[in-house]
Amino acid sequence: ETGVTQTPRHLVMGMTNKKSLKCEQHLGHNAMYWYKQSAKKPLELMFVYNFKEQTENNSVPSRFSPECPNSSHLFLHLHTLQPEDSALYLCASSQEWTGIPYEQYFGPGTRLTVT
Amino acid sequence: QQQVKQSPQSLIVQKGGISIINCAYENTAFDYFPWYQQFPGKGPALLIAIRPDVSEKKEGRFTISFNKSAKQFSLHIMDSQPGDSATYFCAALFNAGNMLTFGGGTRLMVKP
Repeated sequence: ETGVTQTPRHLVMGMTNKKSLKCEQHLGHNAMYWYKQSAKKPLELMFVYNFKEQTENNSVPSRFSPECPNSSHLFLHLHTLQPEDSALYLCASSQEWTGIPYEQYFGPGTRLTVT
Repeated sequence: QQQVKQSPQSLIVQKGGISIINCAYENTAFDYFPWYQQFPGKGPALLIAIRPDVSEKKEGRFTISFNKSAKQFSLHIMDSQPGDSATYFCAALFNAGNMLTFGGGTRLMVKP
């Protein structure tokens, strides 16, 4: 595997279900991100992890719970979601060096549908 | 508050034409401006980026023009090809930070 991988690619879940999205980066990066992409809004940053520590939570509802067990893996745990949470969830990673522009590498996303 | 505004939302260009996408930002603390390209079923990928100390950057058929006083920057795609059909996002970043603020995206279609 190369780059940033995400599983599953597609997920349909009911509002009472609990599911998890998984992201893995094979680039040796030290920062990972979750974004939400929907038709109504541009790319919305949800969470940022630097060196496995969460540094940003962009006012995301508690029904979304991130987990970063190590610098290569990132999870997004989902429970009691709403239909408006249906979207493409993108994971990204980067090598963070203070003061130096960097590139974020995105995975292909998980298309989530909440019924 | 949308800090980066992008226009147009969609664009249709004939093959060989010039595609132009514009972005405007509000926060003068931004100091790195990348453009991302996204194909259907894929995540966004960095296309080209610029810092505000230069007014133009060119990479192949892609050029960023930057106007610091107007707080605007644009992407020009010369000799547009059908393979360029994708969604393009401009973005902005604070110095020493890693939180990108994205524009709303432009869906480009290049007709053969």
